[in-house]
Amino acid sequence: AQKITQTQPGMFVQEKEAVTLDCTYDTSDPSYGLFWYKQPSSGEMIFLIYQGSYDQQNATEGRYSLNFQKARKSANLVISASQLGDSAMYFCAMREGRSDSSYKLIFGSGTRLLVRP
Amino acid sequence: EPEVTQTPSHQVTQMGQEVILRCVPISNHLYFYWYRQILGQKVEFLVSFYNNEISEKSEIFDDQFSVERPDGSNFTLKIRSTKLEDSAMYFCASSDGAGQGHFGPGTRLLVL
Repeated sequence: AQKITQTQPGMFVQEKEAVTLDCTYDTSDPSYGLFWYKQPSSGEMIFLIYQGSYDQQNATEGRYSLNFQKARKSANLVISASQLGDSAMYFCAMREGRSDSSYKLIFGSGTRLLVRP
Repeated sequence: EPEVTQTPSHQVTQMGQEVILRCVPISNHLYFYWYRQILGQKVEFLVSFYNNEISEKSEIFDDQFSVERPDGSNFTLKIRSTKLEDSAMYFCASSDGAGQGHFGPGTRLLVL
């Protein structure tokens, strides 16, 4: 069964420093997609970054980058130059199923990030 | 940028009452989803909908739940007889079939 594990329930980071949020996954499908979402206290799910299993390069979106290590089945999110507004819950998710068109996702339990001034 | 919208943003209901949560997906999207997030827990898939029918549903999506696309723009989730444990944030999502999708802002449901 496919599974997403986020082992850090909470993290602290100093403003302007970089932080890595861990995510490991388990799947037997050769084709899959990995997502990261930010959930601020207001509750909405904000898409941050996506990595396909066949993508050769690690995904980057502004201050977000995904450290994709396929052999280790990990997809860690790196946030560079943390800002106070980065304080939120962060969820790793995987597209389940063989179809690349699917948006049926399974989520990890999340990591709460607090950025200290 | 187009976005998924959901109404209402908050809903309070009495146990046993029916609720309908509404979503307007992005206009050219063909795949629609509902997810649920109980307070403090992970987001869970409920159901996917394509071509006017359910394509997949989870164990959570039992007979008290139903989905409908009553017209060309709305996508609804109905809970027939709400229970206390239905209290959660409900997210609608839509995708274009290329694997990228968008979540709506959610409806926070409280069952008393």
